[in-house]
Amino acid sequence: KAGVTQTPRYLIKTRGQQVTLSCSPISGHRSVSWYQQTPGQGLQFLFEYFSETQRNKGNFPGRFSGRQFSNSRSEMNVSTLELGDSALYLCASSPQAGGYTDTQYFGPGTRLTVL
Amino acid sequence: AQSVTQLGSHVSVSEGALVLLRCNYSSSVPPYLFWYVQYPNQGLQLLLKYTSAATLVKGINGFEAEFKKSETSFHLTKPSAHMSDAAEYFCAVSWVQGAQKLVFGQGTRLTINP
Repeated sequence: KAGVTQTPRYLIKTRGQQVTLSCSPISGHRSVSWYQQTPGQGLQFLFEYFSETQRNKGNFPGRFSGRQFSNSRSEMNVSTLELGDSALYLCASSPQAGGYTDTQYFGPGTRLTVL
Repeated sequence: AQSVTQLGSHVSVSEGALVLLRCNYSSSVPPYLFWYVQYPNQGLQLLLKYTSAATLVKGINGFEAEFKKSETSFHLTKPSAHMSDAAEYFCAVSWVQGAQKLVFGQGTRLTINP
């Protein structure tokens, strides 16, 4: 079974632009979560989607948004990019509806650099 | 607020030596605990998870961890380090029913000396 895929793997943008990142979960997985990883703040939860609905959201500004499609693929969007948005963005999928013991399977991440 | 603390941002051991990576959590409700490993330029890979079935959990690559409620700890160990174990290790907890939110520790970078 193919793992979680994220596209693109690397992205360079300038301040003020917007960006869209894509995540395809493992086949059959219905929950998709997004995390931001930076050297200073570590790994932080952004949001989680299940059945096209956002179920949980982390403490990030409204510039960060996401959505999930009927095939469980997910996108996240960051508008009006700031230098501090430079990070590795990780997507994770899990199979079940809401078990917080479920294992999350992570993709390789998208490395976003904001200049 | 719930939190996870990993003691030691960097740990260095010799090849063949014991690996001990420390993780403590604060939680008012029983948590579920995970250890993930991250190799350079890669995502996170699950090593093991504790979900209350047994306090000693065995994972992949020879790693294991013991849940100690009285100490609110979930330390990761491996009896004999291998060069391929060099990576960053993250302890994570979840406790929110109905959500997939993981709260991570700051990570411990493990270096193996030949």
